[in-house]
Amino acid sequence: DGGITQSPKYLFRKEGQNVTLSCEQNLNHDAMYWYRQDPGQGLRLIYYSQIVNDFQKGDIAEGYSVSREKKESFPLTVTSAQKNPTAFYLCASSIATGEDGYTFGSGTRLTVV
Amino acid sequence: DAKTTQPPSMDCAEGRAANLPCNHSTISGNEYVYWYRQIHSQGPQYIIHGLKNNETNEMASLIITEDRKSSTLILPHATLRDTAVYYCIVRVVDTGRRALTFGSGTRLQVQP
Repeated sequence: DGGITQSPKYLFRKEGQNVTLSCEQNLNHDAMYWYRQDPGQGLRLIYYSQIVNDFQKGDIAEGYSVSREKKESFPLTVTSAQKNPTAFYLCASSIATGEDGYTFGSGTRLTVV
Repeated sequence: DAKTTQPPSMDCAEGRAANLPCNHSTISGNEYVYWYRQIHSQGPQYIIHGLKNNETNEMASLIITEDRKSSTLILPHATLRDTAVYYCIVRVVDTGRRALTFGSGTRLQVQP
């Protein structure tokens, strides 16, 4: 079945450590996105990529980094520079143009201990 | 993209229709209305979208007013599994695809 996979579902890290969240899709979508969600809040855009080897900052990119070396993969690294990294992280993908909706992964819940 | 306004929460009795309103008074002619929902601790799920005409699919109906300044998402026979946060989003669909902007949405509680 086609879909988008985020791993792991739960992640714990010590303060000061970098951590990378995985996002893989087999939908042949060109565009991929990372969102952050805090409790009781809506989603906020971190980074997005419309094509391989290209990506743009979203509204809250500080303290995060991404890469897009393959069409299928868009990993997000939460660096030690991110002041409040504990959150629910969601990855999504879509075709590059047109009106189709997004497909979301099931999310990764990151907790800094 | 135009800003949207939704009530923070709504209740609906199981088996009844749930009508979720969305105001987008600054919408422009080339902006679509999208609806997504997010069940607790899961990724959002696409429901439906439209430009001018009313739309219906297996999940819901979307009613857009003639002036396009507001819309209503209708779940015809709400079940407990429809309890979720519903997001109304307005965006331009063009060749340079831009990312969706999510607001706080409406928390729908379906009551047994």
